[in-house]
Amino acid sequence: DQQVKQNSPSLSVQEGRISILNCDYTNSMFDYFLWYKKYPAEGPTFLISISSIKDKNEDGRFTVFLNKSAKHLSLHIVPSQPGDSAVYFCAAKGTDSSYKLIFGSGTRLLVRP
Amino acid sequence: NAGVTQTPKFQVLKTGQSMTLQCAQDMNHNSMYWYRQDPGMGLRLIYYSASEGTTDKGEVPNGYNVSRLNKREFSLRLESAAPSQTSVYFCASSEPLEKLFFGSGTQLSVL
Repeated sequence: DQQVKQNSPSLSVQEGRISILNCDYTNSMFDYFLWYKKYPAEGPTFLISISSIKDKNEDGRFTVFLNKSAKHLSLHIVPSQPGDSAVYFCAAKGTDSSYKLIFGSGTRLLVRP
Repeated sequence: NAGVTQTPKFQVLKTGQSMTLQCAQDMNHNSMYWYRQDPGMGLRLIYYSASEGTTDKGEVPNGYNVSRLNKREFSLRLESAAPSQTSVYFCASSEPLEKLFFGSGTQLSVL
């Protein structure tokens, strides 16, 4: 059973608009969450993270929101740019094992010019 | 400026053949990992090495073995390849509790 779920396999957004990517998790032991971005034929690269003691973290155009009660996090990209077109993976790390990063299945974002 | 280097980039095997995927990092990280990526499944942890001299199973270890040769290198071995091991394999490294740095991947096909 997947502990980290990204229920939208794909998302298409107009350039300049907001992109919202969602992620749900089931394990209440998760205490640190990350988003990775992946271009074709490349490895994933770290984008932004959030600790469970926070509910929001911002880095430029990227903001991650965490709702612990709902076990839900989201990544907002504002404004979206064509270069943001990639697959985005949500990942979570638990207090029971700091070395195991559990990934979701990914959401493919297409930003249309 | 290499980061995490994986070899080979592509490989085709016949069922039952063996091979070793090589990974090296130049960031002096203590922890290293092997993931596989399959459509609709995301990235799944095969094995990890928290520090030199230790290895542990991840989510999907069956059919694989690993060796942490030294601090820089972490190899993944398929002793008898099966079609279910067709996947893209990623090696990664990190400091404990820090973000992972990934290699560019190995595309493996088992016929």
